[in-house]
This record gives sequence, structure tokens and C-alpha cells, in this order.
Amino acid sequence: GAGVSQSPSNKVTEKGKDVELRCDPISGHTALYWYRQSLGQGLEFLIYFQGNSAPDKSGLPSDRFSAERTGGSVSTLTIQRTQQEDSAVYLCASSLASGGGGVSYEQYFGPGTRLTVT
Amino acid sequence: AQTVTQSQPEMSVQEAETVTLSCTYDTSESDYYLFWYKQPPSRQMILVIRQEAYKQQNATENRFSVNFQKAAKSFSLKISDSQLGDAAMYFCAYLRADKLIFGTGTRLQVFP
Repeated sequence: GAGVSQSPSNKVTEKGKDVELRCDPISGHTALYWYRQSLGQGLEFLIYFQGNSAPDKSGLPSDRFSAERTGGSVSTLTIQRTQQEDSAVYLCASSLASGGGGVSYEQYFGPGTRLTVT
Repeated sequence: AQTVTQSQPEMSVQEAETVTLSCTYDTSESDYYLFWYKQPPSRQMILVIRQEAYKQQNATENRFSVNFQKAAKSFSLKISDSQLGDAAMYFCAYLRADKLIFGTGTRLQVFP
């Protein structure tokens, strides 16, 4: 079936504006992850969902960042009042389930959204 | 805290030759998973190979194999018979509580 898709592919926004990034996981995958890739910080975890709930939001860098997932499928990452340091590639991944109990599921990544804040 | 270190920012190899990318990690856990991901210019992260820490045998996927040294906390990737399409960023990653912790990456160039 189709892989993980993300939209938009690229987004340029002015400092102070809000942006929404969308992720469509692979059908049937219950776990969904957001990562950020930036020159200064490398690849870092932001948040993950199991179903519609987010057991781990520890990577969200500030309260300007939020994410939701509805219907156990599509997820939206929202950044309010964007700052230049938010410029990065935002990657989404999904997996069949979240792991635990010695089991791990492969995470499949989307192509990312490149966000540029001017 | 778990950390992943890739000490080679860039590597190069000639087509058909073999190259090894290094990765070390730090953890106090005994059971865990390690991965190598490839990121071509298209940005999409592609899983190359995975290793379960409880397995003694090194993982192999076609031309890709790992040298997993649990005691030394080392997890290197060997690419045999390198191809032009192998040129990409390679990231080593440790799976901790469902989130991947990545190294800083190694850019691999492949010369004809």
C-alpha cells in the first residue's frame, strides 16, 4: 500500500505566523511519530501517538508546539508564532504498533516537510 | 541517558569497494534495538538494517551487514560492493521507549 505521506512538502512562512504540518500514516499503523531534523540539533524526537493519545510529548521544544491525531489516522503538528529557530525538516513516521515487552516495530518515514521561517 | 555517536562526518568509497561506517552508543539497558537508516537527497529515511541486542548473530541484508559488539557498545555498518545509489547520509539509531535516538550521521560519497 501507500507509504507515509506528508504535506506540504515545503513551507515558507513569516516569523510570528502559525503553521500546520500534516502526516498521513500507513493504513493500519496505530503508532505515529514526529521528529525534527535541523542543522544545529540533528535528528530529534518530538512526540509520538499510540492511537489518538500521546503517551510521550517529551520532545516538544516549547508550548508553541502542539500535535493532535484524530481517528487513529491523520496527525497535525502545529507551530504557533513561528520563530527562525523553528526552521527545519519535520519528519513523520508510523509503525504497526508501539513497542514494549521486548518487541519493536519498524518505523516507516515520510518524505518530510521543510519549514523555512523568514 | 542514551547517546549515539557517529565519529565520521564524511566517508568516501569507490564503486565496488567495501566501506565501514562506525557507530558507538551508550546505554545501561540490556535489551534494546539498533538501526541503520539511509537518507538520500529525497529526505526520506529508509531502514537499512536492524539488530536486536539479545541476538549474538550479526544482522545481514544483502550487501549490508553489521558488526555488533555489545560489550564495546559498538555497531558498525559494512557496505560491500558499493554502488552509486548507496551515496546518502547514514544514521545510526537506538530505540528507547519507542522513540529513536539518532547519531549525527555520516555522509557517504561513492565514486565511479
